[in-house]
Amino acid sequence: DAGITQSPRHKVTETGTPVTLRCHQTENHRYMYWYRQDPGHGLRLIHYSYGVKDTDKGEVSDGYSVSRSKTEDFLLTLESATSSQTSVYFCAIRSDTSSYEQYFGPGTRLTVT
Amino acid sequence: EDKVVQSPLSLVVHEGDTVTLNCSYEVTNFRSLLWYKQEKKAPTFLFMLTSSGIEKKSGRLSSILDKKELFSILNITATQTGDSAVYLCAANSGGSNYKLTFGKGTLLTVNP
Repeated sequence: DAGITQSPRHKVTETGTPVTLRCHQTENHRYMYWYRQDPGHGLRLIHYSYGVKDTDKGEVSDGYSVSRSKTEDFLLTLESATSSQTSVYFCAIRSDTSSYEQYFGPGTRLTVT
Repeated sequence: EDKVVQSPLSLVVHEGDTVTLNCSYEVTNFRSLLWYKQEKKAPTFLFMLTSSGIEKKSGRLSSILDKKELFSILNITATQTGDSAVYLCAANSGGSNYKLTFGKGTLLTVNP
C-alpha cells in the first residue's frame, strides 16, 4: 500500500468553525490531490498540488484552501465550515514518473452540524 | 467540461455470473482511462488503459478501451461475493498535472 495517512479520520464540527485536514505521504511523490466523495456525485477534485508551494483549484474549490510547505504534507482547510461540506474527504498521490494512476489515503469523514 | 458516465449505476447478480460495467468519457486531451474498486473505504487501483483494443487482465477481471468510440468496459467473470463493491472509472486529461475526472460509479452486489 502507498504510504498515505490522513488525520483526523473522523471529525464532527459546528457550522462556522475552521477545520484543517492533513494528508501525509512517505513516498516523496510530487503530486497530491484532495477529493470529496458524496452520494450521487462520486469523487470530485477540490484542489491539487504539483510541488511544494504549487497548488491549483479543482472543480469544487469554493470554501476550501490548501497549503503545501513540505513534500510530504498537503493540508486542506475549511475556513468556515458549512453543512454542505459534510462529506468524506480523500487525499491521493501520484508519482512524477510517466504513470498516471493515483493512490488514495484512507479518508476523513467530516460532519458539520 | 470533462465528463465521465458509468452504467449501470447499480447491478445485482448471483455468484458465478459474468458482468460487464460500462464507462464512456469526454475529456480534453485524453491520456488514459483508469478503473478503481471501492469497498467502504478508499478506492484501490485496478487497471490503467492507454491504448485501444489491448485488453488488460488480472485474474477474473479484464478491461478494454475503445478510443474511437470513447468508452471502456470492465468485465468480471465467475463473480464472487467478494467482488461486491463500487467500481469507479476515471479519465485522465492532458496537461502536466494529470487530473482525473471520475464517474459516479457502479454499485455491484453479488449474492450467494
